[in-house]
Amino acid sequence: DIQMTQSPSALSASVGDRVVITCRASQYIGSHLNWYQQRPGKAPKLLIYSASSLQDGVSSRFSGSGSGTDFTFIISRLQPEDFATYYCQQGYSNTITFGQGTRVEIK
Amino acid sequence: QVQLVESGGGVVQPGRSLTLSCAVSGFTFSDYGMHWVRQAPGKGLEWMAVIWYDGSNTYYGDSVKGRFAFSRDNSRNMVHLQMNNLRAEDTAIYYCARDAGRGGRFIPDYWGQGVLVTVSS
Repeated sequence: DIQMTQSPSALSASVGDRVVITCRASQYIGSHLNWYQQRPGKAPKLLIYSASSLQDGVSSRFSGSGSGTDFTFIISRLQPEDFATYYCQQGYSNTITFGQGTRVEIK
Repeated sequence: QVQLVESGGGVVQPGRSLTLSCAVSGFTFSDYGMHWVRQAPGKGLEWMAVIWYDGSNTYYGDSVKGRFAFSRDNSRNMVHLQMNNLRAEDTAIYYCARDAGRGGRFIPDYWGQGVLVTVSS
């Protein structure tokens, strides 16, 4: 299976901050990389698909980039509702794998 | 709007079987692949399986291959996950999710609210 490694595992930030999360694949995955937000007690929500495409209805303060094995997810100006856990997910192989998650906490 | 509602969860003894269902609405079900993803308490997301829009292909994660079976009924807008020989480590919230395409895009874009399965004696 393709292993996905996110960094950091957790971070503390303030409202208005710029937040950067990285995701590295254990092998080439092209642009088959998606990002999800999961608030406590809720289902995951797709934010970014195909590495950089914004899902319909999602705020433009979320963005993604990268290809191959290294990817970046950015929240440009953190809002109170953005405190959550974020996951990357590869869809390159027939068996999907997720990163371990990055918890974004209030500083 | 797109809606997915899981059912069938509960407490089950180790070694027993359980079937989860997911009823969908708000889109043309027979045009989309579907996924199951689970989340153990306090842990991350683990993908279980995908089924193609017409049921012609299914793929499973290693941890459930041979024990779980994913099926769909396009006449009833439902998918089912038959879980056999359950283990304590199968305890999790199980989510069904729609694929953004017919199955092969591997982008779960809409998710249900999840159903809890607890495997315990």
